[in-house]
Amino acid sequence: EFVLTQSPGTLSLSPGERATLSCRASQSFSDVYLAWYQQKPGQAPRLLIYGASNRATGIPDRFSGSGSGTDFTLTISRLEPEDFAVYYCQQSASSPWTFGQGTKVEIK
Amino acid sequence: QVQLQESGPGLVKTSETLSLTCAISDGSIGNYHWNWIRQSPGKGLEWIGQISASGSTDYNPSLKSRVAISVDASKTHFSLKLSSVTAADTAIYYCARGTTSHYVSWFDPWGQGTLVTVSS
Repeated sequence: EFVLTQSPGTLSLSPGERATLSCRASQSFSDVYLAWYQQKPGQAPRLLIYGASNRATGIPDRFSGSGSGTDFTLTISRLEPEDFAVYYCQQSASSPWTFGQGTKVEIK
Repeated sequence: QVQLQESGPGLVKTSETLSLTCAISDGSIGNYHWNWIRQSPGKGLEWIGQISASGSTDYNPSLKSRVAISVDASKTHFSLKLSSVTAADTAIYYCARGTTSHYVSWFDPWGQGTLVTVSS
């Protein structure tokens, strides 16, 4: 089973700042198999990025993804108030599909 | 935009079978894979399994002996059955649409989720 480790666990930032979230995989895989989600309290996760760098429909361009191999990054260029949430990465390189444990982006 | 809605009992007794259904708003299974995912405080997000439009399934090995996912004959709903439940199966259960590929998967959209509590 592929393990995804996200860091940091919590990121404390102010609106307008840049957020950089990391997702490290236990084994290397193609970027096509990596997705990112945003989850707000009481809501289901929402797809942000698929194929490591492709924004899902309706996702603002302040969200970007990059990476390959074992290291993947989600960047939020300038945090808006609605971006404070928990973010998860997910892999489908090998079944069972797995998720990272999440990074919480909180208001500083 | 397709919407998904989970339904089923919110309370299941220990050792019994958890049964949930997901309704697809536009009524079409299409060529997609359809997934069940759960979320608990202790284990985070856990993929349970998926079913394709043709009915082939793929399950998480950690649950495989207890899980069955099926599509109804009208192909407007798909279901989850998890047998011999324990307190460890208490979680929010989500249904979600996958991709048209068996080999690469992301989940979009998700249902709103339904909390299932297992208790004696």
